Amino acid sequence: DQQVKQNSPSLSVQEGRISILNCDYTNSMFDYFLWYKKYPAEGPTFLISISSIKDKNEDGRFTVFLNKSAKHLSLHIVPSQPGDSAVYFCAASLMEYGNKLVFGAGTILRVKS
Amino acid sequence: EPEVTQTPSHQVTQMGQEVILRCVPISNHLYFYWYRQILGQKVEFLVSFYNNEISEKSEIFDDQFSVERPDGSNFTLKIRSTKLEDSAMYFCASRPGQGYSGANVLTFGAGSRLTVL
Repeated sequence: DQQVKQNSPSLSVQEGRISILNCDYTNSMFDYFLWYKKYPAEGPTFLISISSIKDKNEDGRFTVFLNKSAKHLSLHIVPSQPGDSAVYFCAASLMEYGNKLVFGAGTILRVKS
Repeated sequence: EPEVTQTPSHQVTQMGQEVILRCVPISNHLYFYWYRQILGQKVEFLVSFYNNEISEKSEIFDDQFSVERPDGSNFTLKIRSTKLEDSAMYFCASRPGQGYSGANVLTFGAGSRLTVL
């Protein structure tokens, strides 16, 4: 079951630069997408989300872009900070107030100072 | 900041033993979930629970698994007879009901690490 894919296992970025994390999905019925951040020995922490009726959502340094035709979303972090180093999970759900989240495999982001 | 609390943080058990993992969801949340993450793999859905019954479960959630909300605050996951492959990090999550702020965002606990020997 590979409905949500994060094809880059890891990403290394210099402090102050932009981090771009990518996510693809196969189920066109998904209509709500979320990004979670996870530190070792902690649970996933919600970062930002986007509804399928939008193509962009911004919250401070974090912006999520959604391309429905390509079934692709991305998370941009600008500027990247060392504290952003973590595992980032993309997740998708059916129905805006719907049920389970389907997670991608995660991308390890390392921000070098 | 309200949080989801899970206990124990780490449990080591022998194969074939029963394990109960406990969760205290955020108090006004109505939907409850269990997920697990085997080391190095993705976070996988196990079960969702609403209105005192299972609303959805995955193929992983077989007859060895059960969930219960024995009182107004706790939400438990029981594994009846543990197998080696049950070793994983188990995450509890909850979310508010429809119409509330953040209704589609799951808040996760810190996880319970289960090691089956």
